[in-house]
Amino acid sequence: ETGVTQTPRHLVMGMTNKKSLKCEQHLGHNAMYWYKQSAKKPLELMFVYSLEERVENNSVPSRFSPECPNSSHLFLHLHTLQPEDSALYLCASSQDWTGGTGELFFGEGSRLTVL
Amino acid sequence: AQKVTQAQTEISVVEKEDVTLDCVYETRDTTYYLFWYKQPPSGELVFLIRRNSFDEQNEISGRYSWNFQKSTSSFNFTITASQVVDSAVYFCALSEARVQGAQKLVFGQGTRLTINP
Repeated sequence: ETGVTQTPRHLVMGMTNKKSLKCEQHLGHNAMYWYKQSAKKPLELMFVYSLEERVENNSVPSRFSPECPNSSHLFLHLHTLQPEDSALYLCASSQDWTGGTGELFFGEGSRLTVL
Repeated sequence: AQKVTQAQTEISVVEKEDVTLDCVYETRDTTYYLFWYKQPPSGELVFLIRRNSFDEQNEISGRYSWNFQKSTSSFNFTITASQVVDSAVYFCALSEARVQGAQKLVFGQGTRLTINP
């Protein structure tokens, strides 16, 4: 099993659809993240879940809704998206880095296209 | 606010040439961490290095080397004797120094490096 697994790898959806992206980490980490990678923008941190704390980027629209049922799973629920939401969505995990390297482990991403 | 600038959008060199990727950062924190990540075509970002702000020693790892200069707020990455497998997008990133908890990395725009045979 790879460290961080994302499904689906590719998703095409209409603006009125509801879909979810899933992330699973097999590394025993206690923090998980959603990043958005658009063609012409830097990687943007959307959400962080750490030790049951949720941190949000206030600029993320409410049509994106995260869910973290446990330390190994992270979801991104998508609803009424816009074409400009088309991007690569990357999930990452890390261990509380007291004594660690501070490294984030990334999945391969979910490529989302909104029609 | 924290900011990372990678002025080079794309670089293309011939195999075996040396290449340097530039990274300039802005932060008001006195202690912070700097990172480099590599993103191959498969999509996942691969960690290359983390540097503490209080450690200005340069680092070498095989063909890779990093030059951290606090005076110019730069953290440049050099690949010596480049190879085709080095082709990827490279990201520089910055985070506040936290003893524990989640990290919030601020990434640069990335530099797409193409090594031609």
